[in-house]
Amino acid sequence: NAGVTQTPKFQVLKTGQSMTLQCAQDMNHEYMSWYRQDPGMGLRLIHYSVGAGITDQGEVPNGYNVSRSTTEDFPLRLLSAAPSQTSVYFCASSLTGGRGEQYFGPGTRLTVT
Amino acid sequence: LAKTTQPISMDSYEGQEVNITCSHNNIATNDYITWYQQFPSQGPRFIIQGYKTKVTNEVASLFIPADRKSSTLSLPRVSLSDTAVYYCLVGDHNYGQNFVFGPGTRLSVLP
Repeated sequence: NAGVTQTPKFQVLKTGQSMTLQCAQDMNHEYMSWYRQDPGMGLRLIHYSVGAGITDQGEVPNGYNVSRSTTEDFPLRLLSAAPSQTSVYFCASSLTGGRGEQYFGPGTRLTVT
Repeated sequence: LAKTTQPISMDSYEGQEVNITCSHNNIATNDYITWYQQFPSQGPRFIIQGYKTKVTNEVASLFIPADRKSSTLSLPRVSLSDTAVYYCLVGDHNYGQNFVFGPGTRLSVLP
C-alpha cells in the first residue's frame, strides 16, 4: 500500500494562475479531505468528501474547487491563485469517517508570488 | 463543534513521562476524542482515540474522566524523537465538519 500520495511536492505559481493538486489513496477509503496549514498554525479544512460523487465545503472553501469521480482520487483545484493561498496543503483519507483514524499525505508546499 | 484548549508549548527531558491535557467543556454525547502527532514538514499522524475512561496502545495512553470535559494524553519515557506538535480533536461520526485542528501543543524533548 502506498497510502495517501500527493503531487506535486512543491509548486510556485504566479498570481492569477490556476492549477490542480493531486491526491490519491489505495486503501479504498470512502472519506477524503483537504486541509491547508499556514506557518505555526493548525490545519484548516477546505473541502471534504464522504464518497464518490459527494463533496462538501469545510471551513475555508473560497478559491478552491473539488470533485470526486472515483473512490481513489480527490483533486483540489485552485481557480485563480492568490498570495493568501501560499500554504502547505494536506490530503487525508479515512475508512470509518469521524470516529476513525485519518491517514495524511506528505503535503504539497505551494507558494504564490 | 466542541472547542478544545491545549497548552501552546511544553518542555520535557528524555526518559520522563509527559502528560498533555486538553479541555473540551462542551463535548457532546456522541463525540470521540482523538490525538494526532505532527513532525515538521509531515502530515499529522494518528496516535490514539477514546470515548471514556482509559485507552492504551503501544505508544500512548489516553485518560478521560467521567465528565469527559477534559482528556490527558500520556507519553511514557519520551525520547528526542517525540519532539513534535500534538493536536487534540473532538468530534463524532459527522466526518469533515468535526475535524477541527487547533494550534496544538508544541512538545520539545531535551537531552
